[in-house]
Amino acid sequence: GQGVEQPDNLMSVEGTFARVNCTYSTSGFNGLSWYQQREGHAPVFLSYVVLDGLKDSGHFSTFLSRSNGYSYLLLTELQIKDSASYLCAVRDGNTGNYKYVFGAGTRLKVIA
Amino acid sequence: NSKVIQTPRYLVKGQGQKAKMRCIPEKGHPVVFWYQQNKNNEFKFLINFQNQEVLQQIDMTEKRFSAECPSNSPCSLEIQSSEAGDSALYLCASSLGTGGAGTLYFGAGTRLSVL
Repeated sequence: GQGVEQPDNLMSVEGTFARVNCTYSTSGFNGLSWYQQREGHAPVFLSYVVLDGLKDSGHFSTFLSRSNGYSYLLLTELQIKDSASYLCAVRDGNTGNYKYVFGAGTRLKVIA
Repeated sequence: NSKVIQTPRYLVKGQGQKAKMRCIPEKGHPVVFWYQQNKNNEFKFLINFQNQEVLQQIDMTEKRFSAECPSNSPCSLEIQSSEAGDSALYLCASSLGTGGAGTLYFGAGTRLSVL
């Protein structure tokens, strides 16, 4: 079946970096997205990847390895305000399947 | 900031009661998704639409929920007979298309509590 797995929690120090991991298993693949969700707020889109490799978007970078069913979101120069839940979502590429399968999110806590 | 509007923000119902929530997608977005996010933050896909047509829905949605996206009116999701297990955050998201890069723009959600 389809599944997206993420670690529940992650803690990092302000000014350093955090890597949020995501592994997935889907029958097809048509891209992977990362979202940020603050407590009590809607998820907000951060990044989309469909090709292998690292995509650098400044504060956020994303990596994808399709053969391993693996992605990570890398946050650099962490600030306290980066504390949030980070969601990984995979789109199955099979015909007629348009939904995203979401992980339960990794709750990142940035400490001083 | 997302322009997807969901109402009401909070909804409290007794078991067996109907619970209805609405969503106005971002202007120009023909695709609408409904997800349920439970207390463990797990997302469950419920249904999606392209314009007024249902693209996909899960079995639970087919049996206990009704949803529609009429033209020129808000989309809606209604639980016919609420159960305690339906207590969750219901998120509506809209998108420009169904292709792989179709970014989802989420509303703030409707938090349903079934007593």
